[in-house]
Amino acid sequence: GDSVTQMEGPVTLSEEAFLTINCTYTATGYPSLFWYVQYPGEGLQLLLKATKADDKGSNKGFEATYRKETTSFHLEKGSVQVSDSAVYFCALSDPTGANNLFFGTGTRLTVIP
Amino acid sequence: GAVVSQHPSRVICKSGTSVKIECRSLDFQATTMFWYRQFPKKSLMLMATSNEGSKATYEQGVEKDKFLINHASLTLSTLTVTSAHPEDSSFYICSASPPVPDTQYFGPGTRLTVL
Repeated sequence: GDSVTQMEGPVTLSEEAFLTINCTYTATGYPSLFWYVQYPGEGLQLLLKATKADDKGSNKGFEATYRKETTSFHLEKGSVQVSDSAVYFCALSDPTGANNLFFGTGTRLTVIP
Repeated sequence: GAVVSQHPSRVICKSGTSVKIECRSLDFQATTMFWYRQFPKKSLMLMATSNEGSKATYEQGVEKDKFLINHASLTLSTLTVTSAHPEDSSFYICSASPPVPDTQYFGPGTRLTVL
């Protein structure tokens, strides 16, 4: 079945460090891929998405490229800030078009000054 | 952006009682709403999908008689945990979807603790 495997955390980085959170997926069709972020005490928010192979999603300095050949959608940011501390979830949409999402386990990122 | 609220944010109840959680889309009409359950250090697990005015579609392994879902209007869905037990303690999250592909807006979640 469709699933997402996400790098387990927690991840602790110093401010301005480079961030990579790995995400790979298994899907029978051609899903859209997403990164959601959950800040403390808040609901999940869409961070970025990509709808087809080789698309790059980007937002707030974060980027992820839809790699069909490696079935990956790794999240990267060149210089993290304390305000990026949150839990990050990789997800894919149901390729049958049912509009529901399959989530990874989430990766907690803590950025220290 | 679109806002989805959940109420209550936290609830503690005794074993055997029922608890209702509300999910509202505040500034858009949600043709579809989703209910997820989040276990500690685990991903969100989809429990059910509900479309306004029709019966919810439950995922495999989710007891529909225990987790009653009602989507009575385009802005409100409710999840009722009936005869709650300690193993039902969890974080329940709803999301609402307008008629736009690949678009879901999430509520802040409800922490249920069953004593």
